[in-house]
Amino acid sequence: EAGVAQSPRYKIIEKRQSVAFWCNPISGHATLYWYQQILGQGPKLLIQFQNNGVVDDSQLPKDRFSAERLKGVDSTLKIQPAKLEDSAVYLCASSSRTGVIKNIQYFGAGTRLSVL
Amino acid sequence: DAKTTQPTSMDCAEGRAANLPCNHSTISGNEYVYWYRQIHSQGPQYIIHGLKNNETNEMASLIITEDRKSSTLILPHATLRDTAVYYCIVRAKIIFGKGTRLHILP
Repeated sequence: EAGVAQSPRYKIIEKRQSVAFWCNPISGHATLYWYQQILGQGPKLLIQFQNNGVVDDSQLPKDRFSAERLKGVDSTLKIQPAKLEDSAVYLCASSSRTGVIKNIQYFGAGTRLSVL
Repeated sequence: DAKTTQPTSMDCAEGRAANLPCNHSTISGNEYVYWYRQIHSQGPQYIIHGLKNNETNEMASLIITEDRKSSTLILPHATLRDTAVYYCIVRAKIIFGKGTRLHILP
């Protein structure tokens, strides 16, 4: 079974530029999550989708971050414009809807963003 | 508000059992305990979860106290590949704390 796919693995941009990250979850997983992980900290949830609907985006900086999951499968996270403090690893995860298993998340390898 | 307390780091000799503690004194009756780990440059990896009873799988064992206010993750025979940050999580909306950095010593 293929895992969660993310691209690119690394991205370097200058502040005020735009950047987009892509995620393809495990096949059949209805729930998709985007996390931001700053060096030395645990991952912080940015947004959670259930199919193509947003369940939780309370910690998403909506003035510069946006995310979509139009067909309920893959997802894109965008930052526009980027700030220095956005330098982090952006992780995508997915989970099933079935019982307790719905809370077990499977993570991709992440995209490491450096904003200069 | 991670709702859990873990030591910042721990050392364990290779081949010995690694026992990682977690305090979750405010856990609700229907909240599960989940453990994840994150190896350097990888995304977090699910290890095990439990509600009341002790659990064991191919990766680890989870011991939950009777009052459910704390738990211990046990890696029975730690190897160098178990060097990682281990996260204990106790709510359905997964909130990661800083975890425990486990160093396996050769």
